[in-house]
Amino acid sequence: GQQLNQSPQSMFIQEGEDVSMNCTSSSIFNTWLWYKQDPGEGPVLLIALYKAGELTSNGRLTAQFGITRKDSFLNISASIPSDVGIYFCAGLYAGNMLTFGGGTRLMVKP
Amino acid sequence: KAGVTQTPRYLIKTRGQQVTLSCSPISGHRSVSWYQQTPGQGLQFLFEYFSETQRNKGNFPGRFSGRQFSNSRSEMNVSTLELGDSALYLCASSSGQGVLNYGYTFGSGTRLTVV
Repeated sequence: GQQLNQSPQSMFIQEGEDVSMNCTSSSIFNTWLWYKQDPGEGPVLLIALYKAGELTSNGRLTAQFGITRKDSFLNISASIPSDVGIYFCAGLYAGNMLTFGGGTRLMVKP
Repeated sequence: KAGVTQTPRYLIKTRGQQVTLSCSPISGHRSVSWYQQTPGQGLQFLFEYFSETQRNKGNFPGRFSGRQFSNSRSEMNVSTLELGDSALYLCASSSGQGVLNYGYTFGSGTRLTVV
């Protein structure tokens, strides 16, 4: 089946630093979504991307839908302590069934 | 607008028992999807219901089943529980129609522990 490779698996950064994470796939997707999950909670949608090449921002977050439709990246600028959590990419090809990456655990040093 | 509500939040069951989890989607949303989250396998799709019909199904054994009611509320059932079924079960709702409406809203999940 489809698989998403998300990297890095974890990051430990200083407050104020920029963060970059990405997802790659061997298959194409028509939609890419980025979620953040806090402990004990469900994932919360951060950014949705619907067209190849699309670049979308949400505050300090910026994500892009790769031109090949097989990858996406998420950047967080000027990280703050509340950015701590697990970030997931998810791809949608058809229907309403998401394929998730393995997650990137972000830890921020104040 | 109320979010996605999952009940119960925590559950402890014994091997061999069965369990039913409940999900109430956002008002007006007709699609409800279920996911299993474990440390080893990550987030995996179980099934999706739209207007009371199962529209998509993931690769899980038949012990996992679900249904959706006319008010869009959904239940998920797991029979003959195994230790490996211990997981966070997440429900997500969406309008389920149109290419711009597949951004799910997840509930907080039900943490199932099988002992």
